[in-house]
Amino acid sequence: KQEVTQIPAALSVPEGENLVLNCSFTDSAIYNLQWFRQDPGKGLTSLLLIQSSQREQTSGRLNASLDKSSGRSTLYIAASQPGDSATYLCAVKHQPGYALNFGKGTSLLVTP
Amino acid sequence: EAGVAQSPRYKIIEKRQSVAFWCNPISGHATLYWYQQILGQGPKLLIQFQNNGVVDDSQLPKDRFSAERLKGVDSTLKIQPAKLEDSAVYLCASSLVGVNYGYTFGSGTRLTVV
Repeated sequence: KQEVTQIPAALSVPEGENLVLNCSFTDSAIYNLQWFRQDPGKGLTSLLLIQSSQREQTSGRLNASLDKSSGRSTLYIAASQPGDSATYLCAVKHQPGYALNFGKGTSLLVTP
Repeated sequence: EAGVAQSPRYKIIEKRQSVAFWCNPISGHATLYWYQQILGQGPKLLIQFQNNGVVDDSQLPKDRFSAERLKGVDSTLKIQPAKLEDSAVYLCASSLVGVNYGYTFGSGTRLTVV
């Protein structure tokens, strides 16, 4: 059974800092990995989708990397802003036709 | 393109009552998912449809939960009777068929059972 773990569970940083969120998964035979953002009381917004053949994806200040062999992914946020405050969720698709498996998320607070 | 639509946004019911949630996926997305997210947890899959067929419902509590997608487009998730532990956000997502596609989620329905 695929287990997805996110560390840390919560993180507080001052505005302007660069930060890294970690995601690990137990079964390295994945098809893709997706990072989501969730604001309080809202649904999930897709940030980045990395296919198993890719090493990284970038969107603006966000960069996600994937090391399939070690079962790890990181989400790098550059020059953090208070508007980045949210919960960040990592999810993997590890079998065709199977749904995404989610971690519990990292709750990020960026203080002005 | 229009996103995944869900309704209602919020619902408060008493235990043992019934409730239904509705989801309309992105046009052309054959795969539809219902997830349950309890506070502080990651979303957990309840049921996955491809067109109007069930792909995976192994984690759906079938004694009280049911879901249908009769015409292969919109879907309804029902709980009857509700328990206190069903309090959660119910998320609907859709995707194109194929291993390489990502998911698009709706805004969710927050259910409180009192």
